[in-house]
Amino acid sequence: DGGITQSPKYLFRKEGQNVTLSCEQNLNHDAMYWYRQDPGQGLRLIYYSQIVNDFQKGDIAEGYSVSREKKESFPLTVTSAQKNPTAFYLCASSTSANTGELFFGEGSRLTVL
Amino acid sequence: EDQVTQSPEALRLQEGESSSLNCSYTVSGLRGLFWYRQDPGKGPEFLFTLYSAGEEKEKERLKATLTKKESFLHITAPKPEDSATYLCAVRDTGFQKLVFGTGTRLLVSP
Repeated sequence: DGGITQSPKYLFRKEGQNVTLSCEQNLNHDAMYWYRQDPGQGLRLIYYSQIVNDFQKGDIAEGYSVSREKKESFPLTVTSAQKNPTAFYLCASSTSANTGELFFGEGSRLTVL
Repeated sequence: EDQVTQSPEALRLQEGESSSLNCSYTVSGLRGLFWYRQDPGKGPEFLFTLYSAGEEKEKERLKATLTKKESFLHITAPKPEDSATYLCAVRDTGFQKLVFGTGTRLLVSP
């Protein structure tokens, strides 16, 4: 079945540690995205990538980094510079960056202890 | 700045009790309005795209409509399995990214 796989589903981290969230898609989509979801707030864009080896900052990129070395993969690293990293992280993909029809993964919940 | 406001924040319905969710938006030029459904602890699932005022889309018990300032998601004779958070998002002509509203939490009781 085609889809987007995020891992891990739950992750705990100590303050000061970097953590990497995995996102893999087998939909052959060109564009991929990372969003953050907090209670009472809309989805906020962290980074997006339109094609392999290219990515752009979203609205809240500070303290995060990404890479897009393969079409299928778009990992997100939450660094120790992110002031408030506890959140629900969602990865998505679309056929291109010109559509609003996104396919989302199941999400990764990060808790900083 | 693009803005999306959804109301109400939460809505409780009895099974079979029809209602509507509202999504008001402010953009310089609309390049699409999108509805998503999100179940607790899961990622959003795409429902509809609307591009121009007067356009309507239907899927089972859901119908989405669009005016120049807002969109409605009408739910006809809802069932408990329709319980979810419904998200609205817009794309501006000048930007590629989506702007999401905070969603409406719908609970349908048997």
